[in-house]
Amino acid sequence: EPEVTQTPSHQVTQMGQEVILRCVPISNHLYFYWYRQILGQKVEFLVSFYNNEISEKSEIFDDQFSVERPDGSNFTLKIRSTKLEDSAMYFCASSDDGTGGLTLNSPLHFGNGTRLTVT
Amino acid sequence: QQPVQSPQAVILREGEDAVINCSSSKALYSVHWYRQKHGEAPVFLMILLKGGEQMRHEKISASFNEKKQQSSLYLTASQLSYSGTYFCGTEINTGNQFYFGTGTSLTVIP
Repeated sequence: EPEVTQTPSHQVTQMGQEVILRCVPISNHLYFYWYRQILGQKVEFLVSFYNNEISEKSEIFDDQFSVERPDGSNFTLKIRSTKLEDSAMYFCASSDDGTGGLTLNSPLHFGNGTRLTVT
Repeated sequence: QQPVQSPQAVILREGEDAVINCSSSKALYSVHWYRQKHGEAPVFLMILLKGGEQMRHEKISASFNEKKQQSSLYLTASQLSYSGTYFCGTEINTGNQFYFGTGTSLTVIP
């Protein structure tokens, strides 16, 4: 069964450094998402992406974050200048919703996540 | 924006039943339910759509009350494998704003 893959599985970085988290969504999916989960806490929406542009973003997704789909397969999340509080598990998800975005009637398929540790 | 779930945590003995509730202050277009095991990604259980029927996944079922902006997940005759954190996911407005609920930790003991 096709799956969403994320790399790296664990990233350690120093405060102030830039990191890029990578995701390969399922190939025929149209909608892509990034979520963040601080250890033991809720799954927080960061951003959704459709038709090569950001559809929606949360208040967490400030100017230090950006997303890109640099080619036909990869979907990346960049954090420009990491802070200690950015330490979390970052999940990428994709969906094949074919309703033009009117209703999300297809499941989100999640990757296994990237654990980001900022020291 | 984020839906609120109750209870926050529940401990069951194998074979017991449980209900997890998900409530939103915003109008909902659909409700998803996911289960997350410790250290793993959330895994999809089911979707409920406006005007749709009650859904079922094995011995887990769910309902969606559009008027009350609520959904409930029913776990019947719980098994040890049901342990994990359950999240509802709700679509606010259309399509691309998809928020997860606050989560309910479920532990099933022998």
